Amino acid sequence: DAGVIQSPRHEVTEMGQEVTLRCKPISGHDYLFWYRQTMMRGLELLIYFNNNVPIDDSGMPEDRFSAKMPNASFSTLKIQPSEPRDSAVYFCASSLGWQGANYFGQGTRLTVV
Amino acid sequence: DQQVKQNSPSLSVQEGRISILNCDYTNSMFDYFLWYKKYPAEGPTFLISISSIKDKNEDGRFTVFLNKSAKHLSLHIVPSQPGDSAVYFCAAHPNFGNEKLTFGTGTRLTIIP
Repeated sequence: DAGVIQSPRHEVTEMGQEVTLRCKPISGHDYLFWYRQTMMRGLELLIYFNNNVPIDDSGMPEDRFSAKMPNASFSTLKIQPSEPRDSAVYFCASSLGWQGANYFGQGTRLTVV
Repeated sequence: DQQVKQNSPSLSVQEGRISILNCDYTNSMFDYFLWYKKYPAEGPTFLISISSIKDKNEDGRFTVFLNKSAKHLSLHIVPSQPGDSAVYFCAAHPNFGNEKLTFGTGTRLTIIP
């Protein structure tokens, strides 16, 4: 298996623009997680899905953030409008079962200028 | 409130010696713990886990120890190799059925040849 695939790897955008990050989880995994890593806050969970259904979005920082999982093989994280403080590395991860280890993608480095 | 703490931001160890990375937690409901390793520009990679019903789990050169009464876990790497140089994160699951992982802030391990 190719592992968790995220795109794009790098994104530079201007403040106020919409940003969409994409993720393809490992086939057969039933959990999908979106994380954000910053120097100040480390690695924090934003939202996770089980069988394509959002379970907990309490980590989503603001209404500007939204995530969808239209099917078992694809998820998006959207920021609209983007702000400079959203600059971070965003990771997608998937797992099999609730106690399964999270398998992470390579991340998307987002820079908002 | 940092529920999972890695108080040493960095650690340097001579090649061939033992590396010991420490992690403390405050939430007594945590009952499943994992260690991840992260290289620059890559996502974290699962290393080893331990359930609260055990106090030790071993996998090759990696051993995780859990002291529930002290709310402390540690990762031992022996012998340390140059390829072990990375950032190590500990993570914890709350009580059964809760899929949210809480990560520590990481310890950067450098193996000196």
